[in-house]
Amino acid sequence: QTVVTQEASFSVSPGGTVTLTCGLSSGSVSTSHYPSWYQQTPGQTPRTLIHSTNTRSSGVPDRFSGSILGNKAALTITGAQADDESDYYCVLYMGRGISVFGGGTKLTVL
Amino acid sequence: QVTLKESGPALLNPTQTLTLTCSFSGFSLTTSGVRVSWIRQPPGKALEWLGRIDWDDVKFYSTSLKTRLTISKDTSKNQLVLTMTNMDPVDTATYYCARMGSASLAFDIWGQGTMVTVSS
Repeated sequence: QTVVTQEASFSVSPGGTVTLTCGLSSGSVSTSHYPSWYQQTPGQTPRTLIHSTNTRSSGVPDRFSGSILGNKAALTITGAQADDESDYYCVLYMGRGISVFGGGTKLTVL
Repeated sequence: QVTLKESGPALLNPTQTLTLTCSFSGFSLTTSGVRVSWIRQPPGKALEWLGRIDWDDVKFYSTSLKTRLTISKDTSKNQLVLTMTNMDPVDTATYYCARMGSASLAFDIWGQGTMVTVSS
């Protein structure tokens, strides 16, 4: 079974830019995987940030952006803020009705 | 306003069957393109997609769990039901239902989640 891969952890300085990635254990990510991204702080319900590769959900600041970088989906946070410190999950649609979450990236802002 | 809310037992014994209900409002599961998924998250671990049901009653399940899962809907009650058989302590998790965008296939609205503990 194909695994969706994410960095386990990442750190960024306040005001800095960070790019989190979402890949496949076999093959390349494309727009056909409908990549989506979710932010979750401890004890909270996930918040949808990005869908369809690069479309921001309602109310999401434009410092969050999605793209395809090389063979992976990417979430870029520009001008990181302290409250961006969260877990970030990507989801890929694998076809035949199946969606798969990545293992999540713990982002530290310090 | 679209809302979803999960309900069900907080504690189960190993080998028992879990039945969770997702009650929703603000949309109909008879409308073309509407889909709802079940997702879970063990304490301190990653989110895991379990399965989904579509407006036309087509269902899809996680490859690793499909032998244990059944998803159904009751459109008259605006509810869907998740059944998971042969529960084990590793199934201890917060279980979420989430509506999916018809075109995006993303989880656009989430329920608050319900914590299920499996323990003897």
